[in-house]
Amino acid sequence: SAVISQKPSRDICQRGTSLTIQCQVDSQVTMMFWYRQQPGQSLTLIATANQGSEATYESGFVIDKFPISRPNLTFSTLTVSNMSPEDSSIYLCSTLNRDPGGNEQFFGPGTRLTVL
Amino acid sequence: GQNIDQPTEMTATEGAIVQINCTYQTSGFNGLFWYQQHAGEAPTFLSYNVLDGLEEKGRFSSFLSRSKGYSYLLLKELQMKDSASYLCAVTDSNYQLIWGAGTKLIIKP
Repeated sequence: SAVISQKPSRDICQRGTSLTIQCQVDSQVTMMFWYRQQPGQSLTLIATANQGSEATYESGFVIDKFPISRPNLTFSTLTVSNMSPEDSSIYLCSTLNRDPGGNEQFFGPGTRLTVL
Repeated sequence: GQNIDQPTEMTATEGAIVQINCTYQTSGFNGLFWYQQHAGEAPTFLSYNVLDGLEEKGRFSSFLSRSKGYSYLLLKELQMKDSASYLCAVTDSNYQLIWGAGTKLIIKP
């Protein structure tokens, strides 16, 4: 199984600033994702982080607001830019490995972001 | 469109059995996941079904019928710590996860 760590675990930020969240995996993984979970809601996929190329964003999310990097198979960053209180959420990094035995998806512990 | 349906909330008694249903309509199917999520924490993987039938893992079992677009999660010998949200998610033809809204399970003594 993959062990995922995220930094920071939580932060309180001012409106208009940006925060970069780091995701580190202890093994190489096929796919990495970034999710958001707003209070009382289910998980929403922001984007798939592609190694060495631009991330694939879901409808409603754009690169200017959520730039993502994935320089290798074990690390990715998500930046929440020009933050507003509506960005207050838990941000989760996730990994998926596809192999003949099936898929298993793991989640990082999450980053709890509060924007004032 | 793509859609996952599961009940919003269920209540059960400690020591009993509860079944949480999930129905889905997605563009393609590459497997169905069940996750447990305690408040304020990241989801924890419970099970993965890609073939029809029942998968058993201790107190938890998961069933899938692809022809009916239906799955259930069965929890036996309920414990107070099982109080959590249970999320059903389906991987579509592009290996994107489509999430249900989750079922909040309340366990009473």
